[in-house]
Amino acid sequence: SYELTQSPSVSVSPGQTARINCSGDMLPKKYAYWYQQKSGQAPVLVIYEDTKRPSGTPERFSGSSSGTMATLTISGAQVEDEADYYCYSIDNSGDRRGVFGSGTKVTVL
Amino acid sequence: EVHLVESGGDLVQPGRSLRLSCTASGFIFDDYAMHWVRQVPGKGLEWVSGIGWKSNSIGYADSVKGRFTISRDNAKNSLFLQMNSLRLEDTAMYYCAKAPRAESYYFDYWGQGTLVTVSS
Repeated sequence: SYELTQSPSVSVSPGQTARINCSGDMLPKKYAYWYQQKSGQAPVLVIYEDTKRPSGTPERFSGSSSGTMATLTISGAQVEDEADYYCYSIDNSGDRRGVFGSGTKVTVL
Repeated sequence: EVHLVESGGDLVQPGRSLRLSCTASGFIFDDYAMHWVRQVPGKGLEWVSGIGWKSNSIGYADSVKGRFTISRDNAKNSLFLQMNSLRLEDTAMYYCAKAPRAESYYFDYWGQGTLVTVSS
């Protein structure tokens, strides 16, 4: 079955760049999406279709994808960016289904 | 403004059934696919099920296939999840999520969730 793999945690100081990776065999053919979930809150879409930012997502958030790896980059991370980040993609190999990565805890301190 | 409100979460015994509802407002409900996503407390997100705008496209995670049924009532701007044969591992926060297009399988807005606890 299709899986997305993320490292458990990333830690940066304010103003530094945080990079969150997501690997999956289908990523060369399927878009990656990124969700931010702050403690006690519902997730929020921050990047869709690999690189696109919804209105409301700060410009310091960017997405990229190359081969089997998608990356969410937070350039100049702020304290308020501390959250769990989940990559997501769609598996069409059988019945269509959504697949989340295991999540990456980003700490900014 | 898009607003999604889930309801129906409860404490239920293993093997029993529960029906979740999601009431939508702030957009034309008929035009968009809708999904359920769950999260075990302290754990990651899991896509559960999705339904297209006309209910002709439906999908389930393997973990719930055959036990859960998703449906929608466009006249009432409502999404449902009928959960049968509940298991301990179905304990989670269940989120209703809106897709950005009629048959999309990703989510641009989420509700705040309703908690389902399966326990004897």
